[in-house]
Amino acid sequence: GAVVSQHPSRVICKSGTSVKIECRSLDFQATTMFWYRQFPKQSLMLMATSNEGSKATYEQGVEKDKFLINHASLTLSTLTVTSAHPEDSSFYICSARDYSGSTYNEQFFGPGTRLTVL
Amino acid sequence: GENVEQHPSTLSVQEGDSAVIKCTYSDSASNYFPWYKQELGKGPQLIIDIRSNVGEKKDQRIAVTLNKTAKHFSLHITETQPEDSAVYFCAARMISGNTPLVFGKGTRLSVIA
Repeated sequence: GAVVSQHPSRVICKSGTSVKIECRSLDFQATTMFWYRQFPKQSLMLMATSNEGSKATYEQGVEKDKFLINHASLTLSTLTVTSAHPEDSSFYICSARDYSGSTYNEQFFGPGTRLTVL
Repeated sequence: GENVEQHPSTLSVQEGDSAVIKCTYSDSASNYFPWYKQELGKGPQLIIDIRSNVGEKKDQRIAVTLNKTAKHFSLHITETQPEDSAVYFCAARMISGNTPLVFGKGTRLSVIA
């Protein structure tokens, strides 16, 4: 299947700092990228959907000023956690989907980024 | 909107036995149903998917069945191996249009050697 990479895989930061996570589709053009958050032993919670060149659509309860998403190209999306606090510590996973013809194809996930805020 | 229920939440089987995980969905417009396997500390990996125009799909030891009338679909793993131990998620969405996947809560499968 298609490959989605994420960087960094792990990050530890101090409270109040900002952290940027990159998500790249390596062998296809991702017209749509999704950002998920996952707490231990729980399912994936969709945070936002981003289409290349457009503003991201955030799910209810997700602060758009806290979690800045940029999808500037067909292969790169970034999530910036601004002024991070310990409650932002979580596993963040991006996902990418391409579009061909009249249907959107399979959705592939990155390996995830473990964020720990001290 | 779509709601996906998944059962059981945990499942233990002996190596070589079969494992079955079941999901139900609420939106009759959904027509794409993927299954993901997630190992500890990793992102979900697509293992099989099915579209509403077929009732069953098989890939080696893994099969998925779909009953559109009842709005449920199941994952079947035969001849389980210890490396099948992971968390499995079902999901559903409409394949046309840019709708996001809706996930079940996951099933933690343990295959005991």
